[in-house]
Amino acid sequence: DADVTQTPRNRITKTGKRIMLECSQTKGHDRMYWYRQDPGLGLRLIYYSFDVKDINKGEISDGYSVSRQAQAKFSLSLESAIPNQTALYFCATSGGGGSNYGYTFGSGTRLTVV
Amino acid sequence: QKEVEQNSGPLSVPEGAIASLNCTYSDRGSQSFFWYRQYSGKSPELIMFIYSNGDKEDGRFTAQLNKASQYVSLLIRDSQPSDSATYLCAVDGDYKLSFGAGTTVTVRA
Repeated sequence: DADVTQTPRNRITKTGKRIMLECSQTKGHDRMYWYRQDPGLGLRLIYYSFDVKDINKGEISDGYSVSRQAQAKFSLSLESAIPNQTALYFCATSGGGGSNYGYTFGSGTRLTVV
Repeated sequence: QKEVEQNSGPLSVPEGAIASLNCTYSDRGSQSFFWYRQYSGKSPELIMFIYSNGDKEDGRFTAQLNKASQYVSLLIRDSQPSDSATYLCAVDGDYKLSFGAGTTVTVRA
Protein backbone atom coordinates (compact mmCIF):
# COMPACT_ATOMS: atom_id res chain seq x y z
CA ASP A 1 0.00 0.00 0.00
CA ALA A 2 1.09 3.55 -0.71
CA ASP A 3 2.42 5.66 2.18
CA VAL A 4 0.10 8.53 1.25
CA THR A 5 -3.23 7.61 -0.34
CA GLN A 6 -5.55 10.06 -2.05
CA THR A 7 -9.11 9.37 -3.08
CA PRO A 8 -10.61 9.70 -5.59
CA ARG A 9 -7.91 9.59 -8.30
CA ASN A 10 -10.13 11.35 -10.80
CA ARG A 11 -13.35 13.25 -10.39
CA ILE A 12 -15.63 15.22 -12.64
CA THR A 13 -18.17 17.39 -10.86
CA LYS A 14 -20.61 20.13 -11.74
CA THR A 15 -20.38 23.79 -10.85
CA GLY A 16 -21.91 24.48 -7.45
CA LYS A 17 -21.52 20.97 -6.08
CA ARG A 18 -19.74 20.23 -2.82
CA ILE A 19 -16.89 17.79 -3.13
CA MET A 20 -14.43 16.26 -0.69
CA LEU A 21 -10.95 14.97 -1.48
CA GLU A 22 -9.49 12.60 1.05
CA CYS A 23 -5.95 11.88 2.11
CA SER A 24 -4.65 9.24 4.49
CA GLN A 25 -1.09 8.34 5.42
CA THR A 26 0.74 5.50 7.10
CA LYS A 27 4.03 7.30 7.66
CA GLY A 28 3.13 8.55 11.13
CA HIS A 29 3.92 12.13 10.11
CA ASP A 30 2.41 15.03 11.99
CA ARG A 31 2.53 17.57 9.17
CA MET A 32 0.10 17.33 6.28
CA TYR A 33 -0.48 19.65 3.34
CA TRP A 34 -2.81 20.23 0.41
CA TYR A 35 -1.47 21.73 -2.81
CA ARG A 36 -2.97 22.33 -6.21
CA GLN A 37 -1.01 22.22 -9.43
CA ASP A 38 -1.93 24.14 -12.55
CA PRO A 39 0.05 24.13 -15.80
CA GLY A 40 2.80 26.75 -15.69
CA LEU A 41 2.08 27.70 -12.09
CA GLY A 42 3.75 24.97 -10.13
CA LEU A 43 2.41 23.76 -6.80
CA ARG A 44 0.52 26.24 -4.65
CA LEU A 45 -0.30 25.68 -0.99
CA ILE A 46 -3.99 25.59 -0.07
CA TYR A 47 -3.99 24.49 3.59
CA TYR A 48 -1.63 22.83 6.00
CA SER A 49 -1.79 21.18 9.41
CA PHE A 50 1.02 20.49 11.85
CA ASP A 51 -1.06 18.35 14.17
CA VAL A 52 -4.68 17.36 14.73
CA LYS A 53 -5.59 20.64 16.43
CA ASP A 54 -3.64 22.88 14.09
CA ILE A 55 -5.10 24.10 10.77
CA ASN A 56 -3.58 26.93 8.74
CA LYS A 57 -4.45 28.69 5.51
CA GLY A 58 -2.00 28.67 2.65
CA GLU A 59 -1.67 31.17 -0.16
CA ILE A 60 -4.86 30.16 -2.03
CA SER A 61 -7.37 28.98 0.59
CA ASP A 62 -10.43 30.90 -0.67
CA GLY A 63 -13.18 28.49 -1.73
CA TYR A 64 -11.64 25.57 0.16
CA SER A 65 -11.90 24.13 3.66
CA VAL A 66 -10.15 21.26 5.41
CA SER A 67 -10.64 18.81 8.23
CA ARG A 68 -7.96 16.94 10.14
CA GLN A 69 -9.92 13.98 11.45
CA ALA A 70 -6.92 12.17 12.90
CA GLN A 71 -3.17 12.27 12.67
CA ALA A 72 -3.41 10.10 9.58
CA LYS A 73 -6.32 11.79 7.79
CA PHE A 74 -6.60 15.22 6.20
CA SER A 75 -9.53 16.06 3.92
CA LEU A 76 -9.99 18.96 1.53
CA SER A 77 -13.47 20.23 0.66
CA LEU A 78 -14.68 22.49 -2.09
CA GLU A 79 -17.89 23.95 -0.70
CA SER A 80 -19.27 25.09 -4.05
CA ALA A 81 -17.05 24.00 -6.91
CA ILE A 82 -16.28 26.41 -9.74
CA PRO A 83 -14.53 25.75 -13.06
CA ASN A 84 -11.31 27.54 -12.11
CA GLN A 85 -10.83 24.95 -9.37
CA THR A 86 -10.14 22.43 -12.11
CA ALA A 87 -6.61 21.26 -11.28
CA LEU A 88 -4.43 18.43 -10.05
CA TYR A 89 -4.55 18.26 -6.25
CA PHE A 90 -1.79 16.76 -4.14
CA CYS A 91 -1.70 15.81 -0.50
CA ALA A 92 1.74 15.65 1.12
CA THR A 93 3.17 14.72 4.48
CA SER A 94 6.32 15.67 6.30
CA GLY A 95 7.90 14.42 9.46
CA GLY A 96 11.04 14.57 11.51
CA GLY A 97 13.25 17.48 12.33
CA GLY A 98 16.25 19.11 10.87
CA SER A 99 16.62 20.45 7.38
CA ASN A 100 15.89 17.36 5.35
CA TYR A 101 12.21 17.22 5.93
CA GLY A 102 11.18 16.82 2.28
CA TYR A 103 7.63 15.86 1.53
CA THR A 104 6.08 12.54 0.63
CA PHE A 105 3.34 13.10 -1.91
CA GLY A 106 0.19 11.19 -2.64
CA SER A 107 -0.61 10.15 -6.20
CA GLY A 108 -2.86 13.14 -6.77
CA THR A 109 -6.50 13.76 -7.56
CA ARG A 110 -7.37 15.16 -10.96
CA LEU A 111 -10.48 17.29 -10.48
CA THR A 112 -12.53 18.68 -13.33
CA VAL A 113 -15.35 21.13 -12.63
CA VAL A 114 -17.78 21.54 -15.54
CA GLN B 1 4.63 32.15 0.39
CA LYS B 2 8.16 32.82 -0.76
CA GLU B 3 8.93 33.45 -4.41
CA VAL B 4 10.82 30.77 -6.25
CA GLU B 5 11.80 31.28 -9.88
CA GLN B 6 13.10 28.66 -12.28
CA ASN B 7 14.38 28.93 -15.82
CA SER B 8 11.24 28.34 -17.80
CA GLY B 9 12.48 25.86 -20.35
CA PRO B 10 11.71 23.59 -21.96
CA LEU B 11 15.26 22.34 -21.98
CA SER B 12 16.29 19.85 -24.64
CA VAL B 13 19.62 18.04 -24.31
CA PRO B 14 21.17 15.14 -26.22
CA GLU B 15 21.64 11.83 -24.48
CA GLY B 16 24.90 11.79 -22.53
CA ALA B 17 25.08 15.57 -22.14
CA ILE B 18 24.79 17.68 -18.98
CA ALA B 19 21.45 19.30 -18.19
CA SER B 20 21.71 22.45 -16.08
CA LEU B 21 18.70 23.73 -14.14
CA ASN B 22 18.60 27.00 -12.25
CA CYS B 23 16.49 28.38 -9.42
CA THR B 24 16.46 31.67 -7.52
CA TYR B 25 14.53 32.46 -4.37
CA SER B 26 13.45 35.62 -2.61
CA ASP B 27 13.64 34.80 1.10
CA ARG B 28 17.20 35.27 2.31
CA GLY B 29 16.32 33.40 5.51
CA SER B 30 15.55 30.12 3.74
CA GLN B 31 17.71 27.27 4.97
CA SER B 32 16.76 24.16 3.00
CA PHE B 33 16.37 23.57 -0.70
CA PHE B 34 14.95 20.63 -2.58
CA TRP B 35 14.79 19.32 -6.13
CA TYR B 36 11.85 17.16 -7.14
CA ARG B 37 11.35 15.26 -10.37
CA GLN B 38 7.83 14.91 -11.74
CA TYR B 39 6.87 12.69 -14.65
CA SER B 40 3.79 13.71 -16.58
CA GLY B 41 0.62 12.97 -14.62
CA LYS B 42 2.56 11.64 -11.63
CA SER B 43 3.39 13.01 -8.21
CA PRO B 44 6.68 14.77 -7.47
CA GLU B 45 9.49 12.64 -6.09
CA LEU B 46 12.41 14.00 -4.09
CA ILE B 47 15.78 13.58 -5.78
CA MET B 48 18.06 15.98 -3.87
CA PHE B 49 18.13 18.30 -0.91
CA ILE B 50 20.83 20.74 0.12
CA TYR B 51 21.27 23.19 2.98
CA SER B 52 24.95 24.10 2.98
CA ASN B 53 26.69 26.37 0.51
CA GLY B 54 28.62 24.49 -2.12
CA ASP B 55 28.02 21.29 -4.03
CA LYS B 56 26.29 18.09 -3.11
CA GLU B 57 26.58 15.06 -5.36
CA ASP B 58 24.36 11.99 -5.55
CA GLY B 59 25.07 9.70 -8.46
CA ARG B 60 24.54 11.62 -11.69
CA PHE B 61 22.94 14.55 -9.86
CA THR B 62 24.76 17.52 -8.36
CA ALA B 63 23.01 20.28 -6.45
CA GLN B 64 24.77 23.61 -5.98
CA LEU B 65 23.79 26.25 -3.43
CA ASN B 66 24.91 29.86 -3.12
CA LYS B 67 22.98 31.55 -0.32
CA ALA B 68 24.66 34.92 -0.86
CA SER B 69 23.31 34.98 -4.42
CA GLN B 70 20.06 33.23 -3.41
CA TYR B 71 20.67 30.69 -6.11
CA VAL B 72 20.40 26.93 -6.28
CA SER B 73 21.03 24.72 -9.28
CA LEU B 74 20.82 21.10 -10.35
CA LEU B 75 23.16 19.42 -12.80
CA ILE B 76 22.25 16.12 -14.41
CA ARG B 77 25.31 14.44 -15.87
CA ASP B 78 25.22 11.77 -18.57
CA SER B 79 21.56 12.56 -19.24
CA GLN B 80 19.37 9.58 -20.09
CA PRO B 81 15.97 9.45 -21.82
CA SER B 82 14.53 8.40 -18.43
CA ASP B 83 15.56 11.82 -17.08
CA SER B 84 12.93 13.44 -19.32
CA ALA B 85 10.58 15.03 -16.78
CA THR B 86 9.71 18.30 -15.10
CA TYR B 87 12.07 19.36 -12.33
CA LEU B 88 10.70 21.39 -9.46
CA CYS B 89 12.79 23.56 -7.18
CA ALA B 90 11.40 23.95 -3.65
CA VAL B 91 12.46 26.21 -0.81
CA ASP B 92 11.56 25.80 2.84
CA GLY B 93 9.89 28.38 5.04
CA ASP B 94 8.70 27.40 8.51
CA TYR B 95 8.23 23.75 7.52
CA LYS B 96 6.28 24.69 4.39
CA LEU B 97 7.71 24.34 0.92
CA SER B 98 7.31 26.94 -1.81
CA PHE B 99 7.73 25.57 -5.31
CA GLY B 100 8.90 27.03 -8.55
CA ALA B 101 6.85 26.49 -11.70
CA GLY B 102 9.25 23.79 -12.88
CA THR B 103 11.57 23.25 -15.82
CA THR B 104 10.70 20.55 -18.34
CA VAL B 105 13.69 18.58 -19.57
CA THR B 106 13.66 16.43 -22.69
CA VAL B 107 16.61 14.14 -23.35
CA ARG B 108 17.01 13.35 -27.06
CA ALA B 109 18.21 9.86 -27.91
